[in-house]
Amino acid sequence: GNSVTQMEGPVTLSEEAFLTINCTYTATGYPSLFWYVQYPGEGLQLLLKATKADDKGSNKGFEATYRKETTSFHLEKGSVQVSDSAVYFCALSRSGGSNYKLTFGKGTLLTVNP
Amino acid sequence: SAVISQKPSRDICQRGTSLTIQCQVDSQVTMMFWYRQQPGQSLTLIATANQGSEATYESGFVIDKFPISRPNLTFSTLTVSNMSPEDSSIYLCSVRDRSMNTGELFFGEGSRLTVL
Repeated sequence: GNSVTQMEGPVTLSEEAFLTINCTYTATGYPSLFWYVQYPGEGLQLLLKATKADDKGSNKGFEATYRKETTSFHLEKGSVQVSDSAVYFCALSRSGGSNYKLTFGKGTLLTVNP
Repeated sequence: SAVISQKPSRDICQRGTSLTIQCQVDSQVTMMFWYRQQPGQSLTLIATANQGSEATYESGFVIDKFPISRPNLTFSTLTVSNMSPEDSSIYLCSVRDRSMNTGELFFGEGSRLTVL
């Protein structure tokens, strides 16, 4: 079955530090990959996505590249801000067909200190 | 994108009672999904709610515990029945973006339930 393995947290960084949150997946076929973010007290928001191999998703300074050869979708940001403090979830869905269930990783709590 | 409103946003409930969570979407959608997020955990899909048919439940979730209604294409309810402290979670409603064939989901802000 499908699964997502995310880097365990929590992660604590100083402002302007470089961020990497690792994510690897197991899936049949060619899934779409997502990063969702959950700010304190809020629901999930889509941060970025990639739908095929070698695609790079980007948003708000965050990037992730769909690597089929390593089945990975690591999240990176060159310079984090205090406002980036949140829980980040890696997720996948099987592309096509009628099955649009998302499989989530366990989430990584990021805290950015000023 | 879709705007999803959930009510209540949070509640404190007594053991043995039931609570119904409402989910309203600003556009017509075929499938709505209910997820549970237990404290410190990831999201787990409870069921898929289709308009005009019974909900489809995931392994480990049953209709008697989590009855779902889907009376039209913009609204759904999830009831958490006979609650126990283990049901303390955030319950999230989500919908698929019909314009994208990528499985992307939009989420409501969640309903945070605490069972005493």
